[in-house]
Amino acid sequence: EAGVAQSPRYKIIEKRQSVAFWCNPISGHATLYWYQQILGQGPKLLIQFQNNGVVDDSQLPKDRFSAERLKGVDSTLKIQPAKLEDSAVYLCASRLTSGGPYNEQFFGPGTRLTVL
Amino acid sequence: SQKIEQNSEALNIQEGKTATLTCNYTNYSPAYLQWYRQDPGRGPVFLLLIRENEKEKRKERLKVTFDTTLKQSLFHITASQPADSATYLCALDEGSSNTGKLIFGQGTTLQVKP
Repeated sequence: EAGVAQSPRYKIIEKRQSVAFWCNPISGHATLYWYQQILGQGPKLLIQFQNNGVVDDSQLPKDRFSAERLKGVDSTLKIQPAKLEDSAVYLCASRLTSGGPYNEQFFGPGTRLTVL
Repeated sequence: SQKIEQNSEALNIQEGKTATLTCNYTNYSPAYLQWYRQDPGRGPVFLLLIRENEKEKRKERLKVTFDTTLKQSLFHITASQPADSATYLCALDEGSSNTGKLIFGQGTTLQVKP
């Protein structure tokens, strides 16, 4: 079974530039998450999708971050414009929704973003 | 809001010993708790889930306990090996909905010396 795919793996940009990250979840996983992980901290949820609908985006800085999952499969997270404090690893995770909330999340390798 | 505390200092132990990691939480009682392992440059990998009505869960050399009175989970690795060296994250369900949303602790780094 293929895992969660993310690209790019690394990205370096100047502040005020824009950047986009892509995620392809495990086939059949209706729930998709984007997390931000700052060095030394645990993952922090940015947004959760169920199919192509947003379940929770309460911690997404909507003035600069946006995300979409148009066909209920792969997803894109965008930052525009980037700030220095956005430097972090952006993790995508997916979960099999059937069976309730107890199923574990499967994480991709993450995209390491450095904002200069 | 929910607060999760894991030992921020790295845990260094000798190979063969039992490693014990702690996860404390405040403000409410989660329905379940999960433990993940994260290696440098990789995403977290699920290890174990324990529900609020379970006191203990085991998987091979791993054991998790869940004390809802103390609001604490302990994660044990017995007969530890250098390959167990990694950061271990605890995660609790967010509680107010049935969406599978997790809140993660900051993680504890384990270093097993040969």
